[in-house]
Amino acid sequence: DSGVTQTPKHLITATGQRVTLRCSPRSGDLSVYWYQQSLDQGLQFLIQYYNGEERAKGNILERFSAQQFPDLHSELNLSSLELGDSALYFCASSVRSGGGRNTGELFFGEGSRLTVL
Amino acid sequence: AQRVTQPEKLLSVFKGAPVELKCNYSYSGSPELFWYVQYSRQRLQLLLRHISRESIKGFTADLNKGETSFHLKKPFAQEEDSAMYYCALRGGGADGLTFGKGTHLIIQP
Repeated sequence: DSGVTQTPKHLITATGQRVTLRCSPRSGDLSVYWYQQSLDQGLQFLIQYYNGEERAKGNILERFSAQQFPDLHSELNLSSLELGDSALYFCASSVRSGGGRNTGELFFGEGSRLTVL
Repeated sequence: AQRVTQPEKLLSVFKGAPVELKCNYSYSGSPELFWYVQYSRQRLQLLLRHISRESIKGFTADLNKGETSFHLKKPFAQEEDSAMYYCALRGGGADGLTFGKGTHLIIQP
């Protein structure tokens, strides 16, 4: 399966801890997006990377950080975790050809469900 | 700032009845609008985009700039249409999408 893959699928941790979520984009996709979906909230855009560089920033907390590596996989680091950080974290990827925008079609992973106790 | 509002968290209709999922947006420029769908145990995926003016699985959506709406419609609902539907907007030079909170559509037999 060459779709977007996310690990881990589920993660339970305690307040104050730090976790890393990992995302591998579709083969050939250069852009990676991170979204957070909390209870009663829609998909909140966190951050976008394109070919290793930060492209756009959304409502990402200072306790959170991300990066995209040369092989294009991305990691989202969540630190000093709070109960309210419990959510489903989605990664998506898209194609972005040189000089042009993508079509608006994002390809999503299955998400990583984080539970902070 | 850009915002997408889906006023209905849940919409239940009978099979064969018409369906309309509402979406309103707030954006000062010319937006691109999309509908995404998530079927049970599947990934979130693109259903249709307004610039394509296409009908996918019998669904259509028209961008109404005067009313800042992009409602999703289908004349005759089918049971397999049951899913979560998200309206999304892309504005300016960004690649990313702003999503609404979603509407859970249930088609009753």
